Amino acid sequence: EVQLAQSGGEVKKPGESLRISCEGSGYSFISYWIGWVRQMPGKGLEWVGLIYPGDSATRYSPSFQDQVTISVDKSISTAYLQWRSLKASDSAIYYCVRESNYMDVWGKGTTVTVSS
Amino acid sequence: NFMLTQPHSVSESPGKTVTISCTRSSGGIASNYVQWYQQRPGSSPTCVIYEDNQRPSGVPDRFSGSVDRSSNSASLSISGLKTEDEADYYCQTYDYNNWVFGGGTKLTVL
Repeated sequence: EVQLAQSGGEVKKPGESLRISCEGSGYSFISYWIGWVRQMPGKGLEWVGLIYPGDSATRYSPSFQDQVTISVDKSISTAYLQWRSLKASDSAIYYCVRESNYMDVWGKGTTVTVSS
Repeated sequence: NFMLTQPHSVSESPGKTVTISCTRSSGGIASNYVQWYQQRPGSSPTCVIYEDNQRPSGVPDRFSGSVDRSSNSASLSISGLKTEDEADYYCQTYDYNNWVFGGGTKLTVL
């Protein structure tokens, strides 16, 4: 079964760093783009960016460029989304998705809470 | 950059047909494929329509998608509404390596 397993929820303070993960299984991890989607509390979906595990090529939404970093470790079939300095406004659910010709597999989401 | 505009909410009765629109602010709606995602409360989104009018395996044929160049919009239609269709629906497309979601439409089946 094709799955994306995301890391558990996080509670952080403003200014702290964070890296969340997304492990793919059941398919050739290096052959599909992996994307990240943000959903703030009670709000809609926002595309953050994506990465191609085969060559680590990345694309970022202009809204998130320079705010986050997407990376991958293909040896363990895992993609990452990281922040150097969290803000309260980063509090949200973050979904990882597999992109074929559409977002065909979604993780269960990682809830990030940033509060002092 | 462009935006995708959806109605905030729609409601309809069980057994009826509902249509949700998605209007692209600039650039042609037919320039890039449109997808539609369903998100039930507390769950991850799932795709119900991809490439304008294709249904992923397992999605009932009650769901259909279309594109209208004259109005520069895409539409998702759901016929034979069931209470289980009550959810948020998002359109999505892309341009120049930038994916864009619509703001979402809350469908109430009452």
